[in-house]
Amino acid sequence: AQSVAQPEDQVNVAEGNPLTVKCTYSVSGNPYLFWYVQYPNRGLQFLLKYITGDNLVKGSYGFEAEFNKSQTSFHLKKPSALVSDSALYFCAVRDMDSNYQLIWGAGTKLIIKP
Amino acid sequence: DVKVTQSSRYLVKRTGEKVFLECVQDMDHENMFWYRQDPGLGLRLIYFSYDVKMKEKGDIPEGYSVSREKKERFSLILESASTNQTSMYLCASSPQDSSVQPQHFGDGTRLSIL
Repeated sequence: AQSVAQPEDQVNVAEGNPLTVKCTYSVSGNPYLFWYVQYPNRGLQFLLKYITGDNLVKGSYGFEAEFNKSQTSFHLKKPSALVSDSALYFCAVRDMDSNYQLIWGAGTKLIIKP
Repeated sequence: DVKVTQSSRYLVKRTGEKVFLECVQDMDHENMFWYRQDPGLGLRLIYFSYDVKMKEKGDIPEGYSVSREKKERFSLILESASTNQTSMYLCASSPQDSSVQPQHFGDGTRLSIL
């Protein structure tokens, strides 16, 4: 079965430092991968996606993600964290077993400290 | 920008009541989704619809039903509300090929069943 895992419930980073939010996946074919962000009391916002092509994908708000097929990972990164990046981050993968809907990770809370 | 509007941000209902959650999107998207979000569980798909009057069960449809009489509107119905349905409910929409196109979310309805 398809699945996606976010191994960290929470990540703490000092402002100005690089940040990484981890995501690993398991699919039977080629993965379609997504990152979304949720700010407090808001819905989810799309950040970026990997469908095919370059393994480094750039998205909104200075975020990028690196697709690594051998490690089945799609980690979200940013070179220099801002306090305003504090939010809940979700990784998702296309579910090819179930009408191509998305399977969602449990979410990682990112806290950026001044 | 795509706008997905959920009719209520906060809602308090009593056990046994029939509850309606409304969602409207303004981008002529074919697909619409209802999720519930609980801490540590990520997003779980309740129902989705890929066309007017069409619906498919997601992962947790029990206790819920949906209605899509018009393309822009997708309603979630709790037939007889129970306390275990207290949750954040998120509506989303996407163009036809939702496996590669991002989903656009409303701001959510925080539902409390007393």
